[in-house]
Parts: sequence; structure tokens; C-alpha cells
Amino acid sequence: EVQLVESGGGLVQPGGSLRLSCAVSGFTFSNYEMNWVRQAPGKGLEWVSYISGSGSIIYYADSVKGRFTISRDNAGNSLYLEMNSLKPDDTAVYYCAREAVADRFDYWGQGTLVTVSS
Amino acid sequence: EIVMTQSPATLSVSPGERATLSCRASQSVSNNLAWYQQKPGQAPRLLIYGASTRATDISARFSGSGSGTEFTLTISSLQSEDFAVYYCQQYNNWPRTFGQGTEVEIK
Repeated sequence: EVQLVESGGGLVQPGGSLRLSCAVSGFTFSNYEMNWVRQAPGKGLEWVSYISGSGSIIYYADSVKGRFTISRDNAGNSLYLEMNSLKPDDTAVYYCAREAVADRFDYWGQGTLVTVSS
Repeated sequence: EIVMTQSPATLSVSPGERATLSCRASQSVSNNLAWYQQKPGQAPRLLIYGASTRATDISARFSGSGSGTEFTLTISSLQSEDFAVYYCQQYNNWPRTFGQGTEVEIK
């Protein structure tokens, strides 16, 4: 059974940092591209970042470029999102999502809430 | 960036009726279009990919059509569990972009 479990969310002050993790199981992690998608309270879905199976190709949304860093540990079956210089607009539930090759997001985690507030 | 526009924002439908949701792309995305269902407090769930292919274990009530810039999700006979928010997403270009969602509510 494919499972993705996010962790690391919480309350952080503006300008602060947080590291999200996504632990996966039930599939060969290194064979799949991965993404982070976020959803602000009461709003729609916003793609945040992508990483290829090897980690050699990475993309970011303009809204987080230069502040967020995506990475992965294929041996440990984990995906990460390092978030720095956080702003109130970054407040959202953050989901990790598996991507079938250059394709749809076929499995999602349950999400972890990040709240940026003083 | 490709802008995805969904209509209507809210669709009021009686159980057993048909629901038709629209999604328009600001430029062609070929058939690289997915539909997701999201219920309150839950993660999105993939329904349709490749504009018209149902994902694993998705009911035949759900069907997708279209290509290029115009797409449709049809729910043939709404069941209670189908009342939710539906999002379209293009994966033809970076950045991946989602529509703003259509809420299907009970009439």
C-alpha cells in the first residue's frame, strides 16, 4: 500500500524557518518524482516545488523561489522541504504528492499545517 | 504561466442528477489535464488523468473529456459521497497549475 506521511508543521514567527518531512512507503521511492503542494486556509491548491527521482532536477514556484529548498533521501525513503524567511502568506497545509513520470499527482499525503504568525 | 479557470465556482445539484464541471486553460495543454476531488479535512484524490482516463478504483460515474484548452468533468448520477470540491490541474508546462475549484453542493 502506497503511503505518504508528512510531519514537521507548526507555528513559526515571520522570518523564521521550518523543515517539513514526508516519509513514504509501499513503492520504490527513487523511481518517482515528488512534489510539494500547499493549500492556504479556505483556498485552493498551489503547487510549490518538484524534484526528480534522482534529485538532479528541481523546480520551484516563483512565490517560494530563493526561500524554500526541496531535497530527498532515496535510501531513507524521505522527501523534505526546508522553508526559510517564512511569511504569513506561507500559512497553509502542505502536502507531499507522488508524480507519475511527467504526469498526474497520483498519491497524496494527509498534509501538515504550517502557521506563520507573531 | 498557464492559468486554469474553472466554472462555475459552485454547482448546486440534487442527488441522482448529472453534474457538469468546466475547466479552461489559457493556452493549450494538449491532454495533460487531471481532475482531483477534495472533501473537507482530506487530501485531494486523483479522479481523472490524461483528460479522460479514470484513475484506479474511481467509479464509472466520473468521466472526463476535452483537449487543448477546454475540458469537462461529468458526474453522471450524483451520490452523497460525491459532494466535494473538484480541481483541474495541467501538467503540460511548468509551473504546474490548478484551477480555483468547483464546489458541488447538495441542492
